[in-house]
Amino acid sequence: EPEVTQTPSHQVTQMGQEVILRCVPISNHLYFYWYRQILGQKVEFLVSFYNNEISEKSEIFDDQFSVERPDGSNFTLKIRSTKLEDSAMYFCASIAPPRDEQYFGPGTRLTVT
Amino acid sequence: AQSVSQHNHHVILSEAASLELGCNYSYGGTVNLFWYVQYPGQHLQLLLKYFSGDPLVKGIKGFEAEFIKSKFSFNLRKPSVQWSDTAEYFCAVNGGTSYGKLTFGQGTILTVHP
Repeated sequence: EPEVTQTPSHQVTQMGQEVILRCVPISNHLYFYWYRQILGQKVEFLVSFYNNEISEKSEIFDDQFSVERPDGSNFTLKIRSTKLEDSAMYFCASIAPPRDEQYFGPGTRLTVT
Repeated sequence: AQSVSQHNHHVILSEAASLELGCNYSYGGTVNLFWYVQYPGQHLQLLLKYFSGDPLVKGIKGFEAEFIKSKFSFNLRKPSVQWSDTAEYFCAVNGGTSYGKLTFGQGTILTVHP
């Protein structure tokens, strides 16, 4: 069964550094999402992406965040200047209509020190 | 805005016990409802979903859920749990015009003792 993959599985970075989290969605999927889960809290929606542009973003997704689909297979989340409160598990997901089931990647644990 | 509430943070059961995990949502319009499961060290997997039709939906691994519109609820059930059901369970809702965007509950950790 096809899977969403994410790299790295764990990223440790210093406050103020830029990080890029990578995702490879399932190949025929069209809609892509990033979510995050701070330890002990809910999984929260960050952003949705379709047709090479952001279709919706949450209040969390401020100017420090950006997403890109640079080559038709990867889907990246960039945080320009990380803060301690960005430490979380970041999940990528994708959908192929009309099934409307989101397939999630295994997540990247980001630790900001 | 949508919100989802799961009643129990941690449920501990013995094998063969029956399970019911509560989920309530707040949203006035049409919703799609989901239960996801996350086994230790693994990614979120879809257990079952409700879009329309029969409010009692069956999913994988013997799980089912019932949508009760008047109660804004979508409780997850399993008649007899197994040790392998130990995992975290998330209820999620998609509603409105945001295609695919999920709002999650806080999750319920289920521990099943053999």
